[in-house]
Amino acid sequence: KAGVTQTPRYLIKTRGQQVTLSCSPISGHRSVSWYQQTPGQGLQFLFEYFSETQRNKGNFPGRFSGRQFSNSRSEMNVSTLELGDSALYLCASSLEASGTYGYTFGSGTRLTVV
Amino acid sequence: AQTVTQSQPEMSVQEAETVTLSCTYDTSESDYYLFWYKQPPSRQMILVIRQEAYKQQNATENRFSVNFQKAAKSFSLKISDSQLGDAAMYFCAWGNNNAGNMLTFGGGTRLMVKP
Repeated sequence: KAGVTQTPRYLIKTRGQQVTLSCSPISGHRSVSWYQQTPGQGLQFLFEYFSETQRNKGNFPGRFSGRQFSNSRSEMNVSTLELGDSALYLCASSLEASGTYGYTFGSGTRLTVV
Repeated sequence: AQTVTQSQPEMSVQEAETVTLSCTYDTSESDYYLFWYKQPPSRQMILVIRQEAYKQQNATENRFSVNFQKAAKSFSLKISDSQLGDAAMYFCAWGNNNAGNMLTFGGGTRLMVKP
């Protein structure tokens, strides 16, 4: 079966712009989580959606938002981009409401802000 | 809040040898799960092995096994018969049902495998 698909793979944006990243989970998975990965801060949790509801949110400013659609696909949006938003954004999906059996990650979207 | 610490930024192992990656964590929860993920240059995080805290038996997946010491809050990963394809970043992660699907990750260990 298809894995977690993230689009686009690479993105270059200018400071002040906004960006939308997409994540399609494994078929049947209803939970989608987003993480930001940077060399300095490592992997940090952004937010998690389950059945279209945001259940958890990490410690990120309001410029970071997300949503989940009825088909479980998820998007995250970053408005008013800053240089520090340059990172690898990873999406992970899980079958259940809890991550008991682990999570399947996508290959990420590499965002560069110039 | 939970914290996960990987004290070895880099490790090196000879092909076919055994290597152990360290991970310690801090939590006040009694029921949780621990994971090791591998991130090769392709960037995709791949689940290597998982351990449920209530299980005393250490998890094993082929050449990968863990040494889970709950009292010491330690969760090390042993890779036996190392292969060139094992070269990657390895991340230790903590999660539990109260946290939903939020994982807390360690800083990672870069494993190099020498031919």
